[in-house]
Amino acid sequence: EPEVTQTPSHQVTQMGQEVILRCVPISNHLYFYWYRQILGQKVEFLVSFYNNEISEKSEIFDDQFSVERPDGSNFTLKIRSTKLEDSAMYFCASSGQGSMNTEAFFGQGTRLTVV
Amino acid sequence: DAKTTQPPSMDCAEGRAANLPCNHSTISGNEYVYWYRQIHSQGPQYIIHGLKNNETNEMASLIITEDRKSSTLILPHATLRDTAVYYCIVRVIGNQGGKLIFGQGTELSVKP
Repeated sequence: EPEVTQTPSHQVTQMGQEVILRCVPISNHLYFYWYRQILGQKVEFLVSFYNNEISEKSEIFDDQFSVERPDGSNFTLKIRSTKLEDSAMYFCASSGQGSMNTEAFFGQGTRLTVV
Repeated sequence: DAKTTQPPSMDCAEGRAANLPCNHSTISGNEYVYWYRQIHSQGPQYIIHGLKNNETNEMASLIITEDRKSSTLILPHATLRDTAVYYCIVRVIGNQGGKLIFGQGTELSVKP
């Protein structure tokens, strides 16, 4: 069964450093998403990406965040200068095969710890 | 997106049906009802979705009331592995995809 894969599973970084979280969405999917979940809190939408551009972003997704689809398979989330409060699970998701009303599939997440 | 209301927690005996309710009284005509679950801190797992007709797949059944203001997710024979947080989400699907807005969900505990 096709799945969304994320690497690394766990990333520890020092405050102020840049991190890049990587995702390989399901092949042929057209819509890509990043979500985060701070420990003990609910899953929060960050950004959606379609046709090589951001289609929607939340207020969490400020100038410190950026997304990119550098090639035909990877989808990345970059945090430019990490803060302690960026520590969370980050989930990538993808959906759609050219039609509406399709489910989004999530990866297993990257646990980011900022120290 | 319409808001949903779910009980914070429920218990279910192993082997019995688990019926998880959800209220979405402000749902719009173009919003679908989706159900996801999250086991521990794993990625959310898609279960089922529907617009107005009842739906069934290998995991669960979704019953949507005629006025679409509420729905029930049914796990017909709950197992210990079904212990998870279950999220009811209403989602607009646009031509650029559709974000999912997660609430607090229902924490389902399946007990032996």
